[in-house]
Amino acid sequence: GAVVSQHPSWVICKSGTSVKIECRSLDFQATTMFWYRQFPKQSLMLMATSNEGSKATYEQGVEKDKFLINHASLTLSTLTVTSAHPEDSSFYICSATGTSETQYFGPGTRLLVL
Amino acid sequence: LAKTTQPISMDSYEGQEVNITCSHNNIATNDYITWYQQFPSQGPRFIIQGYKTKVTNEVASLFIPADRKSSTLSLPRVSLSDTAVYYCLVAPNTGFQKLVFGTGTRLLVSP
Repeated sequence: GAVVSQHPSWVICKSGTSVKIECRSLDFQATTMFWYRQFPKQSLMLMATSNEGSKATYEQGVEKDKFLINHASLTLSTLTVTSAHPEDSSFYICSATGTSETQYFGPGTRLLVL
Repeated sequence: LAKTTQPISMDSYEGQEVNITCSHNNIATNDYITWYQQFPSQGPRFIIQGYKTKVTNEVASLFIPADRKSSTLSLPRVSLSDTAVYYCLVAPNTGFQKLVFGTGTRLLVSP
């Protein structure tokens, strides 16, 4: 089946630094990727939709200058959390879709900002 | 996007059949119903998807009545490893359609 990977699986950083999270579709080409954020005991919240070669579409309330998304190829999308602060600590999950019309999710990245 | 309503939590024992019902009263004609499973600190895993009547795969069955305003995920003979959160989502089956996750159902399977 379709496999989506994320790297790193967890990261700890100091407040004010930037962190980049990669999302890769390993065995299919993903024309669209989605980024979600999940706080403890809560559901997934969609942050943005990313289409290869174009600018991401952000959900209301998500700061596009803080959460930079790049979808430069059909197998890679990146999320950069700029000037991270403790309130950005969360579980970040990406999903990807190709021709199968089903969204496949990555394993997630745990971010802890100190 | 159609809103979904599920029970917050359910308890079961190993070997039992578990049925989780999801309400989606304002489902659109071109919407499909998809269920995902999520374990702690992992991304959601696709379980099953359907449009009407009944769909079955090696993991679960999905029952959808004629009016499609609800659906039921059936897990046969659950085991401890089925303890997870189960999400019901309703959206057009384009793959490019963003998914809106509800609260999900937290299933606890006990020995």
